[in-house]
Amino acid sequence: ELKVEQNPLFLSMQEGKNYTIYCNYSTTSDRLYWYRQDPGKSLESLFVLLSNGAVKQEGRLMASLDTKARLSTLHITAAVHDLSATYFCAVDRNAGNMLTFGGGTRLMVKP
Amino acid sequence: DADVTQTPRNRITKTGKRIMLECSQTKGHDRMYWYRQDPGLGLRLIYYSFDVKDINKGEISDGYSVSRQAQAKFSLSLESAIPNQTALYFCATRGTSGSSYNEQFFGPGTRLTVL
Repeated sequence: ELKVEQNPLFLSMQEGKNYTIYCNYSTTSDRLYWYRQDPGKSLESLFVLLSNGAVKQEGRLMASLDTKARLSTLHITAAVHDLSATYFCAVDRNAGNMLTFGGGTRLMVKP
Repeated sequence: DADVTQTPRNRITKTGKRIMLECSQTKGHDRMYWYRQDPGLGLRLIYYSFDVKDINKGEISDGYSVSRQAQAKFSLSLESAIPNQTALYFCATRGTSGSSYNEQFFGPGTRLTVL
């Protein structure tokens, strides 16, 4: 059974600081997704990581994938309040058709 | 207009009632999915469909059924709702070529409360 664990589950940080969210998973997969969810809203796709060593960056967010370590990271650089949201990683089990989600990391960025 | 729509957006029902949640999409995607989200558990897959004749169970299909009426429509039914089916339900779609092949696009969600 594939298990996906994110940590931390909750993160409160000051604007301007850097931090990393970790996503560990238990079985082999070479596709991993990061989503953002604002309160009461749907999921917004942030990154799709399709191979070992993949790194993608968008604004203040950078995601990477190490399939050998079964680990993905979402790094936040110089956080701003607008990044406050819940972030989910999801690991593919069947060519993109069966996603197993982590429990989410709720990020609060304080002015 | 939104590419993936869900109706209703909010629903309160009573234990034992039958309820249907509907999902429609204008993205032209073949693949459609239903998930539920509970606090602290992320999303879990209920059912998914590759086309109108291909429907598959996800990890938590017990107590649910689905119908793929057309390429663009995928409905989720609770035959006899129970309180622990209270959750936020999301529909998602995925294409089979190009950039849409590699990710799922989510609808706005339906908040269901079973009393």
